[in-house]
Amino acid sequence: SQQGEEDPQALSIQEGENATMNCSYKTSINNLQWYRQNSGRGLVHLILIRSNEREKHSGRLRVTLDTSKKSSSLLITASRAADTASYFCATGLDDKIIFGKGTRLHILP
Amino acid sequence: DAGITQSPRHKVTETGTPVTLRCHQTENHRYMYWYRQDPGHGLRLIHYSYGVKDTDKGEVSDGYSVSRSKTEDFLLTLESATSSQTSVYFCAISTSGTYEQYFGPGTRLTVT
Repeated sequence: SQQGEEDPQALSIQEGENATMNCSYKTSINNLQWYRQNSGRGLVHLILIRSNEREKHSGRLRVTLDTSKKSSSLLITASRAADTASYFCATGLDDKIIFGKGTRLHILP
Repeated sequence: DAGITQSPRHKVTETGTPVTLRCHQTENHRYMYWYRQDPGHGLRLIHYSYGVKDTDKGEVSDGYSVSRSKTEDFLLTLESATSSQTSVYFCAISTSGTYEQYFGPGTRLTVT
């Protein structure tokens, strides 16, 4: 399976700190994506990084991809209460993407 | 929510009854997907469609069927619902198979 596995499963940090989540996967991919899910809602696409890219930024988000290690990280800088959510990595290949089980991020006031 | 609606949003049904969930999009995207989300399992792909009348199975397709007779509608049918199909079901759309997906609000299905 090309399913990504996020680490840690849960993370609590103080507001204003940076949050880092990691994703490892098993097979070759076209791209890797990160999504956010607020409680009871559908997933929202955050960022996509292609297999030939190493780093990508979007606002307070920074994503890295190391295809030799089959791993990715998502960094959220200067966290806010609104960042409290579950974050999923998803690997894309052959007409579909496969989601990991997610990291639950809780931002403490 | 990217022009995606799901109906119904909540449903309680009894074991053995047929259930159809509907996903409707106004974006004219080619790809449509059905996922289920369960605690400890993340999102798992049930079926997907890459065009009208073109569908394929995902990793958890047993007990489910789909149909896509129009670009805008993708139906998921549980022919005979079981308690193990109690879950939250999400529909998603995409312009390309491996690129960003846009999700609907979900359908919470309870099979008693």
